[in-house]
Amino acid sequence: KNQVEQSPQSLIILEGKNCTLQCNYTVSPFSNLRWYKQDTGRGPVSLTIMTFSENTKSNGRYTATLDADTKQSSLHITASQLSDSASYICVVSDRGSTLGRLYFGRGTQLTVWP
Amino acid sequence: EADIYQTPRYLVIGTGKKITLECSQTMGHDKMYWYQQDPGMELHLIHYSYGVNSTEKGDLSSESTVSRIRTEHFPLTLESARPSHTSQYLCASSESTRGGGDEKLFFGSGTQLSVL
Repeated sequence: KNQVEQSPQSLIILEGKNCTLQCNYTVSPFSNLRWYKQDTGRGPVSLTIMTFSENTKSNGRYTATLDADTKQSSLHITASQLSDSASYICVVSDRGSTLGRLYFGRGTQLTVWP
Repeated sequence: EADIYQTPRYLVIGTGKKITLECSQTMGHDKMYWYQQDPGMELHLIHYSYGVNSTEKGDLSSESTVSRIRTEHFPLTLESARPSHTSQYLCASSESTRGGGDEKLFFGSGTQLSVL
């Protein structure tokens, strides 16, 4: 069964600290993996996309990694800010259809305290 | 900043009422989607459209209906709302590509529906 599992479910860190969010998936065949940030009361916004051949990609203070062999991805946030408080959602796409079906994780709720 | 808009942001209605959730995008995207999201749960696809006059049901069974008469407009209608319909509804769009799910989704801010 194609699934996307994220951990931890929630995380509280102090401003300025780093953190790493995990995403494990069983989706096959694999096309790509996206990380989205969803602020409270808003829709998700794409942070980065990882394809099969990519291991690491950075977007400012966000760095995503992908290990296609173990089917794991991580999102590392450096020097956290209060505005990083949000839900981070891992979304995996397969190659199984023209639409390219998307599988969503339940998200990690990150809270950054001052 | 995504140019996709949903109205209303919040809606509280009584059981049995007919409602329409509005979604409009100004990016000229062919593909549009409706997702349902409950707290702490993953997004579930309930409807999608490849373009004008194209509508398809998603993975999650839904009593709602959609229409796509214009590229920019993708409204969702519930003929008779029930408390089980209480949820957040997110509209999204993406550019049409060769396919394969490579497109980035642009989401609206959502409509939080509460049915009493």
